[in-house]
Amino acid sequence: NAGVTQTPKFRILKIGQSMTLQCAQDMNHNYMYWYRQDPGMGLKLIYYSVGAGITDKGEVPNGYNVSRSTTEDFPLRLELAAPSQTSVYFCASSYSPRNTEAFFGQGTRLTVV
Amino acid sequence: GENVEQHPSTLSVQEGDSAVIKCTYSDSASNYFPWYKQELGKRPQLIIDIRSNVGEKKDQRIAVTLNKTAKHFSLHITETQPEDSAVYFCAAPYSGGGADGLTFGKGTHLIIQP
Repeated sequence: NAGVTQTPKFRILKIGQSMTLQCAQDMNHNYMYWYRQDPGMGLKLIYYSVGAGITDKGEVPNGYNVSRSTTEDFPLRLELAAPSQTSVYFCASSYSPRNTEAFFGQGTRLTVV
Repeated sequence: GENVEQHPSTLSVQEGDSAVIKCTYSDSASNYFPWYKQELGKRPQLIIDIRSNVGEKKDQRIAVTLNKTAKHFSLHITETQPEDSAVYFCAAPYSGGGADGLTFGKGTHLIIQP
């Protein structure tokens, strides 16, 4: 199993551009999450999904959108990129939301200039 | 949502000594408390977790304790080794007992001095 796979690993965007961060998992997990990690800080929850077709906002959803058309994929869309969105983005999945391990992807380092 | 505070932000210990990292949480409904280790440039990985129905859990040199009354939990690493150097994050459910991801502390940079 590959686990949780994120693409791309690195990206530089210009202010106002848009992009989609891809996330795929092959563990048949229903629960998937997007976090961002700013330098010297913990991870903050952007969006989460409890299954295909169901998504909801986390702590810092502004400027982002998600979709969950399949169990495997959970892409994160950035519209009108801003410097404040410069961060490392981690996708994660888990078998259940509580009491089980969340598996993280390797991260996407995004810089908005 | 849940609020998690973590201390200290940096901890330097001599190799072989013990390290303790402490976290507090705000939502009394929270029932799951994992600890993640993140090496430089890598993804966070779970090292140990504890559920609200137990007070302590051990796994070789690592242990976690939970005090539900005081709403705090701690990570204990004994006989520290150079490979323990990393950033450690505590976490709790984003909205107490809800089905929606984790709230993380800001992290503790653990430095093991040779």
